[in-house]
This record gives sequence, C-alpha cells and structure tokens, in this order.
Amino acid sequence: NAGVTQTPKFQVLKTGQSMTLQCAQDMNHEYMSWYRQDPGMGLRLIHYSVGAGITDQGEVPNGYNVSRSTTEDFPLRLLSAAPSQTSVYFCASRWTGGHEQYFGPGTRLTVT
Amino acid sequence: DAKTTQPPSMDCAEGRAANLPCNHSTISGNEYVYWYRQIHSQGPQYIIHGLKNNETNEMASLIITEDRKSSTLILPHATLRDTAVYYCIVRVYYPGNTPLVFGKGTRLSVIA
Repeated sequence: NAGVTQTPKFQVLKTGQSMTLQCAQDMNHEYMSWYRQDPGMGLRLIHYSVGAGITDQGEVPNGYNVSRSTTEDFPLRLLSAAPSQTSVYFCASRWTGGHEQYFGPGTRLTVT
Repeated sequence: DAKTTQPPSMDCAEGRAANLPCNHSTISGNEYVYWYRQIHSQGPQYIIHGLKNNETNEMASLIITEDRKSSTLILPHATLRDTAVYYCIVRVYYPGNTPLVFGKGTRLSVIA
C-alpha cells in the first residue's frame, strides 16, 4: 500500500491564483481530512469527510473548498490564494471505526 | 480549543525513559486518549491510544490515572530519533466521524 499520498510536495502561488492540492489513499478509508500547520504551530483542521459525497467544516475552513466524489480522493481547493494561506498542508485518513489516523507527507505552499 | 494541556518542551537523556505528561481534566466517559508525534516537518505518526486501562505497544506505554484526568506517555529507552513534537489528544471514538483536534504538543529533545 502507498498509504496517503499528496501532490505536489511544494508549490509557490501568487496572490489571487487558484490551485488544487491532491490527496489520495489506497486503504479504503471512509474518513479523510485536511489540516494546515503554520510555522511553530500545531495542526489545525480545515475540512473533513466521512465518506463519498459528505464533507464538513473544521476549525479554519474559510478560503478552502473540498468535495469527495470517490472514497480514494479528497482534493482541497484554494479559489483565490492569499499570503495568509502560506502553510504546510497535511491530508489524513482512517477507517471510521478505527483509532489510528494515517497522515500524508504534506504539501508546502507559499503564497507571495 | 484543545481539551488537553501539555508542557511546551522537555529534555531527556538518550537511553533513559522519557515520561511525557498530559492533563485532560474535562475528559468525558466516552473519550479516548490518543498520542501522536511529529518528527521534524513530517506528517504526524500515531503512537498509542487508551480509554482507561494502561496500554503498551512496541513504541510506548500509556498510563492513565484512575480518575482519567491525566495520562503519561512513556518511551522506555529514548533515542535521538525520538526527538519530535508529541501531541496528546482526546476524542470521542463513537460515532467515528469525530475529528482529531491537535493542541500545541510537547517538544521532546533527546540529548546524547
């Protein structure tokens, strides 16, 4: 199993540009989530999903959109990037009835 | 807000046991205690979880007080590779859609 994969690893955007951060898992996990981590801080939850077609907001959802059309994929969209969205983004997944959550390697995003 | 309180940093000599405390005085009866760690800027890694009994796995031991208001993660023989930020999290296990909410964690430095 590849586990949780994220692409790209690094990205630089200009203010106002849009992009999609990709997240995929091959473990057939129902639950997936997105976090952001600013320098020296803990992880903050952006959005999460308990299955295809179902998404919900986390602590810091503003400026981000998500959708879940398949079990495997959970993309995160930035519609109009802002410098405040400069961060490291982590995707995670787990079985809904499981305890262990698996994290991807992260995407490092810089908005200038 | 995170439901746990952890010291911001700790040091431990290599080869000695590292004991990381966590206070969760408002924990509910259906909430589990989870520990994750984040090495450098990698994605967080699951370590262990427990409800009320002490737990041990190949990585660590988890000691939960009888009143469940605090817990201690024990790394029995710390190595330099255990240098990381350790997060203590409480979460309702059922229903399974409850997200993990991270606090600021404890930065453990293992010293040679």
